[in-house]
Amino acid sequence: EIVLTQSPATLSLSPGERATLSCRASQSVNTYIAWYQHKAGQAPRLLIYDASNRATGVPARFSGGGSGTDFTLTISSLEPEDFAVYYCQQRLTWLLTFGGGTRVEIK
Amino acid sequence: EVHLVESGGGLVQPGGSLRLSCSASGFTFSDYNMHWVRQAPRGGLEFVSAITTYGREIYYGDSVRGRFTISRDDSKNTLYLQMSSLRAEDTAVYFCAKAKGRSYDYWGQGTLVTVSS
Repeated sequence: EIVLTQSPATLSLSPGERATLSCRASQSVNTYIAWYQHKAGQAPRLLIYDASNRATGVPARFSGGGSGTDFTLTISSLEPEDFAVYYCQQRLTWLLTFGGGTRVEIK
Repeated sequence: EVHLVESGGGLVQPGGSLRLSCSASGFTFSDYNMHWVRQAPRGGLEFVSAITTYGREIYYGDSVRGRFTISRDDSKNTLYLQMSSLRAEDTAVYFCAKAKGRSYDYWGQGTLVTVSS
């Protein structure tokens, strides 16, 4: 099983600041990484697929990068609605896995 | 607009069974692979099961294999998850998700399953 490790577990930032979230895979997953935003009681929302492609309707302040084992999600300038939990997910094989999540909270 | 609506969750005793449903609309259901993903209380997301188009291929996570069965009825635009031999550790919110390539582009809001005596 491919393990995804997200860091930090919690990121405390103010609106307008830049957020950089990390996701590290235990083995290469090529670029088969997706990022999701999840707010309590809501459906998770796809932000980035295939490491760097923004999903439909996702604002340009969200960007993804990386390949192999190291990936990042960057939010260039935090908006109030961006405070949430973010998960990375890999699907190199059918046994897909998720990272443990990074909570982005208001400082 | 795509909608996925899960139902069938509830309280069940250990060893019991439950069937979850996911009603889909807003897209051609039969054209897409569909998955179940769960989130335990205060936990992260965990892959449960996947079914490809026409039910040709089925996959399960290690923790549910042999106890859960995924199926689909394309005539009803509905995805199912039959859960048996339920354990306390199966307590979670269960989401259905529409696959797009190697990610999920739409998710339902989830249905809560609580396994407790």
